[in-house]
Amino acid sequence: DTEVTQTPKHLVMGMTNKKSLKCEQHMGHRAMYWYKQKAKKPPELMFVYSYEKLSINESVPSRFSPECPNSSLLNLHLHALQPEDSALYLCASSLGLPETQYFGPGTRLLVL
Amino acid sequence: GENVEQHPSTLSVQEGDSAVIKCTYSDSASNYFPWYKQELGKGPQLIIDIRSNVGEKKDQRIAVTLNKTAKHFSLHITETQPEDSAVYFCAFSLNTGFQKLVFGTGTRLLVSP
Repeated sequence: DTEVTQTPKHLVMGMTNKKSLKCEQHMGHRAMYWYKQKAKKPPELMFVYSYEKLSINESVPSRFSPECPNSSLLNLHLHALQPEDSALYLCASSLGLPETQYFGPGTRLLVL
Repeated sequence: GENVEQHPSTLSVQEGDSAVIKCTYSDSASNYFPWYKQELGKGPQLIIDIRSNVGEKKDQRIAVTLNKTAKHFSLHITETQPEDSAVYFCAFSLNTGFQKLVFGTGTRLLVSP
């Protein structure tokens, strides 16, 4: 089973809202990732967690706040976003670092 | 810098034809090269990957070749089917101690019946 699940599938939020994206995997993977993908572009890495600790932050604005409550869950908390943050947000996981990454279906976010 | 060139950006073939997508990468220390297929409205799906100690890998209709000297790797799809229509991304891993993937710009493959 190579499944990464993400909720919600779609999210519309205003610039003053606070929302969270959720990602879950039950493959025993110890590394989890957040990516942002704009239309017709490749995914761009945002954050990497390894063994529930933040390993990489790719200079992402503080209005994006990741959280890894346990080895199966990864959250992305959103606050005071801008319209240009509208994109597909992808979660991925891998057995460790470095290993093959498996992606979830993504959350399509629209910021109004 | 860290980048990978991917060509072509779009590729249209007839069902049953072969399709080839090529990538050139910049980091000579890279040792892992995955290919992802992304259908409309979905996340990228790993379809095949290759490590630097191997020159070619095949999985049914899909094959990947790697030329480390020239820093090229290619995806070959034979006997294409309409369900192969998607965007394909190549990627390579930067040698940073963890697997940061650098993605190509993508190839939109359209297979016509």
